[in-house]
Amino acid sequence: EAGVAQSPRYKIIEKRQSVAFWCNPISGHATLYWYQQILGQGPKLLIQFQNNGVVDDSQLPKDRFSAERLKGVDSTLKIQPAKLEDSAVYLCASSLGTGENFFGPGTRLTVL
Amino acid sequence: DQQVKQNSPSLSVQEGRISILNCDYTNSMFDYFLWYKKYPAEGPTFLISISSIKDKNEDGRFTVFLNKSAKHLSLHIVPSQPGDSAVYFCAARRNSGNTPLVFGKGTRLSVIA
Repeated sequence: EAGVAQSPRYKIIEKRQSVAFWCNPISGHATLYWYQQILGQGPKLLIQFQNNGVVDDSQLPKDRFSAERLKGVDSTLKIQPAKLEDSAVYLCASSLGTGENFFGPGTRLTVL
Repeated sequence: DQQVKQNSPSLSVQEGRISILNCDYTNSMFDYFLWYKKYPAEGPTFLISISSIKDKNEDGRFTVFLNKSAKHLSLHIVPSQPGDSAVYFCAARRNSGNTPLVFGKGTRLSVIA
């Protein structure tokens, strides 16, 4: 069974630029999560989708972050404009609904 | 407000000995707990979980203990192996469907040969 796919793996941008990350969850997993992991911290939820609907985006900085999952399968997370404090690993995870999240390898973002 | 706390940033253990990683939580609504293991440049991988209706769950070398009254759980690895060297995250959620996980900051385990 293929795991959660993410791209790109690494991205370096300058502050005020925009960036987008892509995630393809495990086939059949209705729930998709985006987490942000800052160095030295645990993953923190940004947004949760159930199929193509948003379940929880309470911790998403909506002035600069947006996410979509148009067909209920893959998802994109965008940051526009990026700030220095957005430097982190962005993790995508999916689940069947039992609560165990299956994580992708993450995208490491560096904002200069 | 850190709802899940891992107060030891790092732990070193001799190969073959027991590793004990600790986790405390503050939210009494949490009733499902998980441990994840993370190697550098990889995403976290699920290790073991426990529901609040249990106080122990075992899977091979890994055992998780839950003390609900103390809001404390621990992960025991016996015997520890060099390949166990990684960052271990404790996570918790409310067992009401697909609520998201809340993670601790992680503990870096080093198993010395």
